[in-house]
Amino acid sequence: LAKTTQPISMDSYEGQEVNITCSHNNIATNDYITWYQQFPSQGPRFIIQGYKTKVTNEVASLFIPADRKSSTLSLPRVSLSDTAVYYCLVGVLIYNQGGKLIFGQGTELSVKP
Amino acid sequence: KAGVTQTPRYLIKTRGQQVTLSCSPISGHRSVSWYQQTPGQGLQFLFEYFSETQRNKGNFPGRFSGRQFSNSRSEMNVSTLELGDSALYLCASSPLAGVQAKNIQYFGAGTRLSVL
Repeated sequence: LAKTTQPISMDSYEGQEVNITCSHNNIATNDYITWYQQFPSQGPRFIIQGYKTKVTNEVASLFIPADRKSSTLSLPRVSLSDTAVYYCLVGVLIYNQGGKLIFGQGTELSVKP
Repeated sequence: KAGVTQTPRYLIKTRGQQVTLSCSPISGHRSVSWYQQTPGQGLQFLFEYFSETQRNKGNFPGRFSGRQFSNSRSEMNVSTLELGDSALYLCASSPLAGVQAKNIQYFGAGTRLSVL
């Protein structure tokens, strides 16, 4: 699984768009990019996943440039309830390697009123 | 569909004791993984089970063990508890095996273990 680097913390205000960038220079051809969100004392929650270009769902957008060495999670119009830690994961679950997710430090997003 | 259920939610034990944590995956999910989360070390992978077989193991001592039953429910056991075992233990399930799983796992709320 590729190593990822993301900012330790970010601050924002309600209603703003937040972009969290993750660097993954050693991403492999078969790797997917996955983002999780975690609130205090809860398990991480899957947000979005992509392989290349742009992916959008009801919660967020994920932008992946052509070289795939980085990715940006975009949260539109954040609210106080978006205050959480966001993890970027890169890799693929392969049968004989099993379900082993490697979480980095994550980015602690603080949304203020 | 019910989510991943972990019991109990909170546990207080003393050093030297042992503890068993339980996890019921989402119905139909056959892969169950366990993670330990502490403020200092973050989220660390413990082990993963699929069809009652341990497929992958993290870098934890042998005091940490687990098993999976035929209905995919899983238990994790920690023997001879140490103060450093105080953590949030998370269970996650995944619907598919292999490449199709694509890093998507569904986590429970966790069991908060405090060792005194």
